[in-house]
Amino acid sequence: GEDVEQSLFLSVREGDSSVINCTYTDSSSTYLYWYKQEPGAGLQLLTYIFSNMDMKQDQRLTVLLNKKDKHLSLRIADTQTGDSAIYFCAESMKDSSYKLIFGSGTRLLVRP
Amino acid sequence: SQTIHQWPATLVQPVGSPLSLECTVEGTSNPNLYWYRQAAGRGLQLLFYSVGIGQISSEVPQNLSASRPQDRQFILSSKKLLLSDSGFYLCAWSLPGQGPRGSPLHFGNGTRLTVT
Repeated sequence: GEDVEQSLFLSVREGDSSVINCTYTDSSSTYLYWYKQEPGAGLQLLTYIFSNMDMKQDQRLTVLLNKKDKHLSLRIADTQTGDSAIYFCAESMKDSSYKLIFGSGTRLLVRP
Repeated sequence: SQTIHQWPATLVQPVGSPLSLECTVEGTSNPNLYWYRQAAGRGLQLLFYSVGIGQISSEVPQNLSASRPQDRQFILSSKKLLLSDSGFYLCAWSLPGQGPRGSPLHFGNGTRLTVT
């Protein structure tokens, strides 16, 4: 079955690191994505990782993938108030639709 | 470069009225197109997707329908809205097939629908 789960809420202090976690169930997923949604807006693609990779770093963002445990995480270094948003992980289905299945989103609050 | 336009941005409609939300994509051919709904404080639910003109796949049986009359146009409709149709509707596109980044979705800015 297709299911992606995330914790609902995370609060960190400005300057600290944030770690947002995600678990997925479909072992045939090829790509996994992280999206950011600011209030009242659409979703912005942050980064992605291919399923044969363990880690990917992109400036302040680090994605870790544990394929055995089907666990994905997003680490944001030096978190800023502008990082406050909802973060969604998503897995890509391998069928011809290439649709994405999204988690319920983690609301990140950055305290000054 | 590719752009996606979705309108209207906000909509307030009475129960039982019809609905038509439109989405168009520019700068690419034969995109995959998607309609998602986001209920308040919840994740995204895939409603419909289309891999070509006239080809619509429905993910969740409901009060809504979708159509793709042109290659880069995707329309979400309802004949009679229900209170439960309220939510944030997002249109998205992706390239056909899977490229070096897989097939990430690119989203419009969304339509906030309130059914009263």
